[in-house]
Amino acid sequence: EIVLTQSPGTLSLSPGERATLSCRASQSVRSNSLAWYQQSPGQAPRLLIYGASSRATGIPDRFGGSGSGTDFTLTISRLEPEDFAVYYCQQYGSSPTFGQGTKVEIK
Amino acid sequence: EVQLLESGGGLVQPGGSLRLSCAASGFTFSTYTMTWVRQVPGKGLEWVSAITGSGGITYYADSVKGRFTISRDNSKNTVYLQMNSLRVEDTAFYYCARPTAPGGAWYYDPWGQGTLVTVSS
Repeated sequence: EIVLTQSPGTLSLSPGERATLSCRASQSVRSNSLAWYQQSPGQAPRLLIYGASSRATGIPDRFGGSGSGTDFTLTISRLEPEDFAVYYCQQYGSSPTFGQGTKVEIK
Repeated sequence: EVQLLESGGGLVQPGGSLRLSCAASGFTFSTYTMTWVRQVPGKGLEWVSAITGSGGITYYADSVKGRFTISRDNSKNTVYLQMNSLRVEDTAFYYCARPTAPGGAWYYDPWGQGTLVTVSS
């Protein structure tokens, strides 16, 4: 099983700032099969990024994904109020696993 | 509009059973692998089980293998999760989810709203 470790656990930022979230895999993720989700309180997860860097339908371009192999990054270029939420990475190159999440909170 | 609607959650004693349902609409159900993902309240996500469009192949996380059974009825556009020998640690919100494309890779959109299963004496 591929273990995904996200850091930091919590990111305290102000609206308009840039957020950088990390997801590290215990072994190489096949074909960069890495997705990112956003989960707001009381809501189901929402797909943001797949294939490490492709934005899902309807996702604003302030969300960007990068990385390969074992190290992946989600960047939110300028935080909007609705972006304060929990973010999860997921690998689907083998039996799917999720990271433990990064909470982006208002500073 | 694509929709997934889970039902069947509730309170059950340890060792008991429960069957979850996920009713799908707005897409050709039989062409999609369907998946269950769970989330302990306030914690992270855990992939639980998946079933191919025909129902011929099923997949399980090690944590539920031998206790949970996934199935589907394509005539009713519904996927099920039969949960037996439930444990306190199975307490979670259970989400139904679908890959973005038929036969596509297993990243998920959309998701249902979830149904809460509480295992407690």
